[in-house]
Amino acid sequence: RKEVEQDPGPFNVPEGATVAFNCTYSNSASQSFFWYRQDCRKEPKLLMSVYSSGNEDGRFTAQLNRASQYISLLIRDSKLSDSATYLCVVNTGRRALTFGSGTRLQVQP
Amino acid sequence: SAVISQKPSRDICQRGTSLTIQCQVDSQVTMMFWYRQQPGQSLTLIATANQGSEATYESGFVIDKFPISRPNLTFSTLTVSNMSPEDSSIYLCSVVPGQRYEQYFGPGTRLTVT
Repeated sequence: RKEVEQDPGPFNVPEGATVAFNCTYSNSASQSFFWYRQDCRKEPKLLMSVYSSGNEDGRFTAQLNRASQYISLLIRDSKLSDSATYLCVVNTGRRALTFGSGTRLQVQP
Repeated sequence: SAVISQKPSRDICQRGTSLTIQCQVDSQVTMMFWYRQQPGQSLTLIATANQGSEATYESGFVIDKFPISRPNLTFSTLTVSNMSPEDSSIYLCSVVPGQRYEQYFGPGTRLTVT
C-alpha cells in the first residue's frame, strides 16, 4: 500500500465549478499535512498547510480527519488558472516529505 | 519562505559521465533535501543534506551514486555519478526555512542522459 494515495484524475471541470480532492495516508504517526500545487514542468509550490481544525484560504478549504487518515481539498469557483496537479503531502516527523502521486485538474472555459 | 536557485537548470549528458547540481539559498537553513521526479511520477526523496556531516540517504539511494556536499547552511551540491538513461529526471532541492515543516523547492534541474 502506498504511504499517500490520491486519485490521479484527471478532473475536468467547467469554470466556476466546485471540485474536491481526497487523499489517504497510511502512517498514523504522521504529524503535518500539506497540499502543494505543481504546474507542468515547474517545481511544487506550497498551496496550504492542513490543520486539524480545518483551514480556509480564499477559495480553497482543506480538511483533515485523523481518525480516518484522510485529507481533502475543496476548490470553489474554479478558475482556468487553477489547472495544475495537486499533490497531497505528509510529514511523519523526519522533516522530509512523502508525496502522493498527484491529482490533475483541468478547468475548462 | 526562501529564495532557492539551482544550477544548471537543464543538461543533456552522455552515459557514464557525472553531473554536479548546485543549490543556493538566500538565507541560512538547517534542513535541506534532495528529491528526484522521474517523468510522469511524483517526487521521491533521495537524501537529507546535513551540514558538517554525511548526508542521510533513503532506501534505494547510495552515496557512491549520489554524493552530496553541504559545506554551509546556504549551499549544497548533488552529484549524479556514472549516469545511465534511467537517471533522466528532474532533480530538486528543498529547504525548511522555519520552525514548521513547510518545505520550499528550488526550480529543479532537468537532466537527460543519452
